[in-house]
Amino acid sequence: EDQVTQSPEALRLQEGESSSLNCSYTVSGLRGLFWYRQDPGKGPEFLFTLYSAGEEKEKERLKATLTKKESFLHITAPKPEDSATYLCAVKGTNDYKLSFGAGTTVTVRA
Amino acid sequence: GAGVSQSPSNKVTEKGKDVELRCDPISGHTALYWYRQSLGQGLEFLIYFQGNSAPDKSGLPSDRFSAERTGGSVSTLTIQRTQQEDSAVYLCASSSPTGSDGYTFGSGTRLTVV
Repeated sequence: EDQVTQSPEALRLQEGESSSLNCSYTVSGLRGLFWYRQDPGKGPEFLFTLYSAGEEKEKERLKATLTKKESFLHITAPKPEDSATYLCAVKGTNDYKLSFGAGTTVTVRA
Repeated sequence: GAGVSQSPSNKVTEKGKDVELRCDPISGHTALYWYRQSLGQGLEFLIYFQGNSAPDKSGLPSDRFSAERTGGSVSTLTIQRTQQEDSAVYLCASSSPTGSDGYTFGSGTRLTVV
């Protein structure tokens, strides 16, 4: 069974203070690792898909990286509007559904 | 439509009553998923529809839960004889057949059983 563990559970940052979120996973044949952002009262919003170790993707202040066992979401010089819960999910070879971690709630103070 | 639409956005029901939750996916998306998100928990897979294939119901927690998808588009999740532990946000997502561009989620239905 696919498993996804995210750490830390919560992260409080000062505006401009860069940090990283971790997503550790076990999956039978990775077909994709997904990062989502979720704001309170809303559904998850798609950010990135990574497919193979060494791959990196960037969007504004966010950069996602992937190894064979984990993925990192780096937040560079965060702003208060980056405050959200960030969810990691994986899809395995023999599966079509996403298995999600519990998320990391990021709070950025001005 | 432009996005995945779910209704109602909030539902309060009495224990023992039946509820129906609706999902209208993005036009052209053949895959549709239902997930449940409880407070402080990750998203829990419930059911998957792909085109005209038989749905994967392996995530449904009990036989009180059922779902259907009519005409390959709108889906309805039905919970019979609701219990307090059914209280959660129910999220619907749709995607292209490969899902390579990510799944698009609706805003969810917050169900509260009192």
